Amino acid sequence: SQELEQSPQSLIVQEGKNLTINCTSSKTLYGLYWYKQKYGEGLIFLMMLQKGGEEKSHEKITAKLDEKKQQSSLHITASQPSHAGIYLCGAIGGSNYKLTFGKGTLLTVNP
Amino acid sequence: EAQVTQNPRYLITVTGKKLTVTCSQNMNHEYMSWYRQDPGLGLRQIYYSMNVEVTDKGDVPEGYKVSRKEKRNFPLILESPSPNQTSLYFCASSPFLWGTDGELFFGEGSRLTVL
Repeated sequence: SQELEQSPQSLIVQEGKNLTINCTSSKTLYGLYWYKQKYGEGLIFLMMLQKGGEEKSHEKITAKLDEKKQQSSLHITASQPSHAGIYLCGAIGGSNYKLTFGKGTLLTVNP
Repeated sequence: EAQVTQNPRYLITVTGKKLTVTCSQNMNHEYMSWYRQDPGLGLRQIYYSMNVEVTDKGDVPEGYKVSRKEKRNFPLILESPSPNQTSLYFCASSPFLWGTDGELFFGEGSRLTVL
């Protein structure tokens, strides 16, 4: 079965700093989701990537899917306390429509 | 308003007492699924459904049942709950996972405690 490895597991940054979170798959990705979650709360959709080399941006968050479709990165520019939370990547691994999620990256942004 | 609604949001129950967590979506989505979230283990898929009367197991289906008799509803049934099913549960729906620029819409979660 597909596995998604997120790195780092946790990250503490100073407000204003840039940061990157990675999501690596053991298999080719047919679709990759990024979500943000406040601990114990619902999931907020950030973006979905499907094509190799695809890049999408929303406000100060940019996500890319590599050409080989096995790794995605999420980049936050000029981080703010409002960016704090758990970032989850989720992926469709094949034709069986199973969705697998990584274990998440806990982001803390210090003012 | 487009939404996925789960009920109950919070529940404390005892071992062996059957319970159902309901999930309803108002977006006419074909795909629906259930997840549980546990510290250190992340979000794991329990069951999913591609359409009415079509369901399949996710990664952790043991101890759970589902049904999809109507497109909008996808209840999660715990026939005989046990303490290891204490968790935060999420229901989600999507128009279709393939070939769309679509979002997987999540409900707000149901926190279940089994004593």
